[in-house]
Parts: sequence; C-alpha cells; structure tokens
Amino acid sequence: KNQVEQSPQSLIILEGKNCTLQCNYTVSPFSNLRWYKQDTGRGPVSLTIMTFSENTKSNGRYTATLDADTKQSSLHITASQLSDSASYICVVSPNLNTGTASKLTFGTGTRLQVML
Amino acid sequence: NAGVTQTPKFQVLKTGQSMTLQCAQDMNHEYMSWYRQDPGMGLRLIHYSVGAGITDQGEVPNGYNVSRSTTEDFPLRLLSAAPSQTSVYFCASSYRTIRGTGELFFGEGSRLTVL
Repeated sequence: KNQVEQSPQSLIILEGKNCTLQCNYTVSPFSNLRWYKQDTGRGPVSLTIMTFSENTKSNGRYTATLDADTKQSSLHITASQLSDSASYICVVSPNLNTGTASKLTFGTGTRLQVML
Repeated sequence: NAGVTQTPKFQVLKTGQSMTLQCAQDMNHEYMSWYRQDPGMGLRLIHYSVGAGITDQGEVPNGYNVSRSTTEDFPLRLLSAAPSQTSVYFCASSYRTIRGTGELFFGEGSRLTVL
C-alpha cells in the first residue's frame, strides 16, 4: 500500500530559527512530490511540486529537497516567521500516464508553531 | 480571482438529514475533487471528476453522491447524514496533465457536524 509518513508530528521553534520537516514515502512508480501549507481553518496551499528528476526547489524561505533513490523529501524553512505557524502536508503522486488524479497519497502533516 | 469557492463554511445536521455542499471554481479546471480531513489522518478522496458528465469514486465514497453538470460546479450530496461523517470537507481543482493531476487548488473548507 502506498504510504507517506511525515515527521515530526509537531514542532515548536522560536521566531528567526530554521527548521526541517521530513517526508518518507513508499509510492512507486513515482511521478512528483508536493508540499502544501495549511493554515488553521483554511484550505491547503501549494508550496512546491518536484518531479523525480529535481533534487531541490525553493519558494522564498521554503526549500524542498528530494532523494528519489531513498524516497525521502525534506522541507527546510529559513528564518522562520510567526506566519509560518501552520500544518505542512507532503503529498505524493504516482506515475500513472493515464491522466487520472485519483491516486494522490497525503501525509498526515507536521504542525509547526513559531513563537516569539 | 475567486479560485475555488465552497459553501457553507459551517453546518450542523441531525442524523438522517440530507444536505449538499457546494463547490465552484472559475479557473476552467477539468479536474475537481472532494476530500475529507479528519484528525490524525491525511486528506482522503471521496469522489472526483475529470470533466463535465464524468465522475468516479475515491477512497471513501460511501454515503456521498456527486454530479458534474458543468465545468465550474461539483456539488457533494450527503444522502442520510451519520455521525461518522462529521469532518472538514475540502473541494479541490486542477488542470489535468498526461501524468495525472496538476497543482491542486483547494477551497477554504466546509466544517460539518452530525449530531
């Protein structure tokens, strides 16, 4: 069964500090991996999408890395801000070549709290 | 630019009642889907559609119906609400690509409580 596991489940850091969130997956064959940010009470918003050929991708202070060999990804947040407090969800898409979208596998997320 | 709009944001139902969650997108996306989000679990796919007139079941379809009469709208119907359907529901849309779903755009969610 395709699975996506995220760690840690929750994390508290001080404003200005860096942090790294982890995502391990067993989805195969693999097409792409996505990171979403979900603020409390809001819908998830896409941060990055990486294909198997991409090792790293940045979006402002967010940098995602991907190791398709070990099936691991990380999301690094630099110089955290209070507005980074949210859940971060890792989502993996298999390579179907069918145009369907029914097989996305979602992790349970890491809840990040940034404090003063 | 509205994106994906869901209504209502909050709803309380009694067991056995029926209701419809509305979802509309203005991005001309072919793909639309409904997910439910429960504590400690990842988002789970209920139903999805790859175009007007085409729908299919996801991972947890029981107790829900959908239809797709237009590209813009994808309503989710709860036929006879049960307490197990208490959850937060998200509608999402995207372009389709040859390798599957493009970037997903989510609505703000509909929080449903069934008593």
